[in-house]
Amino acid sequence: DIQMTQSPSTLSASVGDRVTFTCRASLSISRSLVWYQQKPGRAPKVLIYQASTLESGVPSRFSGSGSGTEFTLTISSLQPDDFATYYCQQNNNLPLSFGGGTKVEIK
Amino acid sequence: QVQLQESGPGLVKPSQILSLMCTVSGDSITSGSYYWTWIRQPAGKGLEWIGRMYTSGSTQYNPSLESRVTISGDTSKNQFSLKLSSVTAADTAVYYCARENWKFDSWGQGTLVTVSS
Repeated sequence: DIQMTQSPSTLSASVGDRVTFTCRASLSISRSLVWYQQKPGRAPKVLIYQASTLESGVPSRFSGSGSGTEFTLTISSLQPDDFATYYCQQNNNLPLSFGGGTKVEIK
Repeated sequence: QVQLQESGPGLVKPSQILSLMCTVSGDSITSGSYYWTWIRQPAGKGLEWIGRMYTSGSTQYNPSLESRVTISGDTSKNQFSLKLSSVTAADTAVYYCARENWKFDSWGQGTLVTVSS
């Protein structure tokens, strides 16, 4: 099974900050990576797929990069609506698997 | 616009069978190139992929749950279901159904299932 590891687990930041967090796969997954945003009590929402393709309707301040085993999600200017938990997910191998999440908190 | 809605008991006794249904509207579970998927999330924890059913009806499961899981579809009602047997407290979680095509692009709102006597 492919293990997905996200870091940091919690990130404190202010509105307007540029934030970047990382997802690492235990084996190469090419670019088969999806990023989701989840708010409390809600289902996750797709932000980025195929490592760097922005989902329709998602603000352009979100961007993704990486391939192989290391991936990053960047928010160029953090907005109040962005305080949430972010998960990465690989769809290169079964079983599909998610990272443990990065929670973005208000500093 | 596709919508998914989970339904089923919110409380299940240990050792019994957890049964959930996902009703799909705005899309057909037999058309297109989608997988129809179950995912769960224990309170305060991360997401776990349980398994999926393709439009053809074929299924794939997480090996960690495979011996206890069955996912199947009811094409007449455009629904797919999850059955998880021999449940324990560790199976307490919010259960989501979702549509997948290289990404989980549509989700139900989730339903909390508690395993307790």
